[in-house]
Amino acid sequence: DADVTQTPRNRITKTGKRIMLECSQTKGHDRMYWYRQDPGLGLRLIYYSFDVKDINKGEISDGYSVSRQAQAKFSLSLESAIPNQTALYFCATSDGDRTAYEQYFGPGTRLTVT
Amino acid sequence: AQKITQTQPGMFVQEKEAVTLDCTYDTSDPSYGLFWYKQPSSGEMIFLIYQGSYDQQNATEGRYSLNFQKARKSANLVISASQLGDSAMYFCAMRVWDSSYKLIFGSGTRLLVRP
Repeated sequence: DADVTQTPRNRITKTGKRIMLECSQTKGHDRMYWYRQDPGLGLRLIYYSFDVKDINKGEISDGYSVSRQAQAKFSLSLESAIPNQTALYFCATSDGDRTAYEQYFGPGTRLTVT
Repeated sequence: AQKITQTQPGMFVQEKEAVTLDCTYDTSDPSYGLFWYKQPSSGEMIFLIYQGSYDQQNATEGRYSLNFQKARKSANLVISASQLGDSAMYFCAMRVWDSSYKLIFGSGTRLLVRP
């Protein structure tokens, strides 16, 4: 089974709808991240979390909110989706140990807002 | 400000030849980490290789090696003996050493391996 899972994998929604993307991990990591990827661009950080009580904004948090329901679960919500939020969304996790460097990515959620 | 620059939007290489993908970075922090990820057409992000700023030797992982030139702030990825399956997007990323451990990504290079 995958260490980092995302649901749904693909979603088409209409402008103005509320949508939630979910991420679960079995790696036992404290840190979780949501990134967004637009065509021709690298990934950009939306939100990150150190634990269930510690949520932080990334560089492009406007229009998004998150919830850390448990150590293993981190959800991203679009309160009122708009077409320019059409993108590929990635969840990632990392160990809090400073010597552990890798971030582990989920498979991505392809979101289309019409 | 921390930044990653990949100046090659697209590259071609002949199968079995070596190819170098360029990456330059900008940071004022003495401690940082540099990564390369591969993204095939299926979309997932695959970790390839990591180089820490204090690592004395260039990192290698199988056919991948990282040509780290600290004074020039470059961290180029070298893929030896290219295979058709290497055709993908390649992203260079930098890990900042604040408490977030977040990654800053470049815009990527699309590599196409020709048979």
